[in-house]
Amino acid sequence: DQQVKQNSPSLSVQEGRISILNCDYTNSMFDYFLWYKKYPAEGPTFLISISSIKDKNEDGRFTVFLNKSAKHLSLHIVPSQPGDSAVYFCAASYNQGGKLIFGQGTELSVKP
Amino acid sequence: KAGVTQTPRYLIKTRGQQVTLSCSPISGHRSVSWYQQTPGQGLQFLFEYFSETQRNKGNFPGRFSGRQFSNSRSEMNVSTLELGDSALYLCASSFLAGSYNEQFFGPGTRLTVL
Repeated sequence: DQQVKQNSPSLSVQEGRISILNCDYTNSMFDYFLWYKKYPAEGPTFLISISSIKDKNEDGRFTVFLNKSAKHLSLHIVPSQPGDSAVYFCAASYNQGGKLIFGQGTELSVKP
Repeated sequence: KAGVTQTPRYLIKTRGQQVTLSCSPISGHRSVSWYQQTPGQGLQFLFEYFSETQRNKGNFPGRFSGRQFSNSRSEMNVSTLELGDSALYLCASSFLAGSYNEQFFGPGTRLTVL
């Protein structure tokens, strides 16, 4: 049972434009959501997180939006840069558990 | 500050053998979590340790076990290896337990079972 889903395995965007990565979840108990970025041969790197009491969190070029009623979150990257090319994972957890449940990942390619 | 280190980086074993993977967290971090990454299943949670105690466990068979030492270093063991255990095993550390604390991942150990 895939509780966290990233339905787009890949996304290609032009440099300078907006990248929007989407994530859906099924478990209404989730109360904390995170985005990680992963380069080949490296472990995932934390990008940004959001608590379920918020609907938006910004950090520089990265903004995460949470729509609890739709059980949907998205990561916006503006402007996109070639160095952003990587696999992006969304993850969720609940009850302060250290268990993160990850989506399958979306490979972002930012073309110069 | 040194990051999370995992040893070995690559490992080849045969079916039926056992394997031990090691993880050294960032200095000062007391929580260590383990994940398995495969092409088909993505990243799946194995277990979480904090102060030498297992705090959470994922849905893996008993062949998968782990422990944490007093210096916060952690090991995971897989016994009676199966072909399906071939995966990238990732370790993550955080200062405190619980996912509200940012988890820092190591580069992983690539295990191949023949």
